[in-house]
Amino acid sequence: NAGVTQTPKFRVLKTGQSMTLLCAQDMNHEYMYWYRQDPGMGLRLIHYSVGEGTTAKGEVPDGYNVSRLKKQNFLLGLESAAPSQTSVYFCASSPSIGHAFGSGTRLTVV
Amino acid sequence: RKEVEQDPGPFNVPEGATVAFNCTYSNSASQSFFWYRQDCRKEPKLLMSVYSSGNEDGRFTAQLNRASQYISLLIRDSKLSDSATYLCVVNPSGSARQLTFGSGTQLTVLP
Repeated sequence: NAGVTQTPKFRVLKTGQSMTLLCAQDMNHEYMYWYRQDPGMGLRLIHYSVGEGTTAKGEVPDGYNVSRLKKQNFLLGLESAAPSQTSVYFCASSPSIGHAFGSGTRLTVV
Repeated sequence: RKEVEQDPGPFNVPEGATVAFNCTYSNSASQSFFWYRQDCRKEPKLLMSVYSSGNEDGRFTAQLNRASQYISLLIRDSKLSDSATYLCVVNPSGSARQLTFGSGTQLTVLP
């Protein structure tokens, strides 16, 4: 049982480049989330989805886009990366309130 | 004011000690409360939910005081393996199952 899988695990981008982070869950959860975690800031919600084909903004959505074309996948896109987007990104899914997290993506933008 | 506030620590305690973490939240309408554990460079994992009547899971006891908007976590007989960052987490009312995370309290249990 894989749970929540994130790819890639590490990435270095140059300012202005684009990339997509993939999150896949095999637990048939309706709700999925993307968070970023920065030192001393805790996890902050970027975007979330309450079901296939739906997305909504979280606390810090600027500079990111998301898509949920299939129930099991939630994609996070950075169209033009900035150094301020250097962070650890966590995907999570939820059947109710408690979250199951992926192992994270460490992104550095130089 | 942060929605969820925790003492960042670090707390350095000897093995076998009892240690308590506190957390306050600002939204009085918050519905659900949790403690998550996060090991260094790993993802957060649910440690326990926090119920109004207080609840215990082995060496861990969680308490909720809605009047004071205060949550606590008590760890008895600390083990080396308890070393981690403990995140206080709140589900604000009407927030589509969103969670608000505190920035965490770092615990190191020393041999």
